[in-house]
Amino acid sequence: EDQVTQSPEALRLQEGESSSLNCSYTVSGLRGLFWYRQDPGKGPEFLFTLYSAGEEKEKERLKATLTKKESFLHITAPKPEDSATYLCAVQVPNTGNQFYFGTGTSLTVIP
Amino acid sequence: GAGVSQSPSNKVTEKGKDVELRCDPISGHTALYWYRQRLGQGLEFLIYFQGNSAPDKSGLPSDRFSAERTGESVSTLTIQRTQQEDSAVYLCASRRVYNSPLHFGNGTRLTVT
Repeated sequence: EDQVTQSPEALRLQEGESSSLNCSYTVSGLRGLFWYRQDPGKGPEFLFTLYSAGEEKEKERLKATLTKKESFLHITAPKPEDSATYLCAVQVPNTGNQFYFGTGTSLTVIP
Repeated sequence: GAGVSQSPSNKVTEKGKDVELRCDPISGHTALYWYRQRLGQGLEFLIYFQGNSAPDKSGLPSDRFSAERTGESVSTLTIQRTQQEDSAVYLCASRRVYNSPLHFGNGTRLTVT
């Protein structure tokens, strides 16, 4: 069965303390892996798309990487405004265009 | 341009009543998805529309749930005879082409009392 697992469930960091969030997947093939940020009371906001192993994308303090089995979202020198829930999703072929979402990592950055 | 718009943003209804939730996708986006997000849980796929093709209804939890979309524009999600377990945030998303990311609205928070 296709699955997407995110870890840790929750993460507390001091401002400036770099860390990584993990998204592992067990799917038959991969059309794309997507990272989103979700703030309380808001819909998920798109961050990155990764399509193949070895690919990397960067935006400000965030960097997403992809291997054949997992993706990492690296956060460098985080700030309090980076506090949010980070979701990953995968799209696989032959599934009728469905996206499978993980349950997210809740990140809190303490000033 | 404008993002995905959902209305109402909040809806409180009594158990047994019907509710209609509306989604305006981004202009030019051919695909539209509905998801449900229960408190502390992941996104649960409900239904998917692509152009004039038959919708993928495989995620609808019961026959009380239905959705319509007119062409490539507005969609409505209808829940009949609401139950307390229907309380959740209902998210709508659209995307331009296959393999492109989903873009989400801010959802409708439904509370069934």
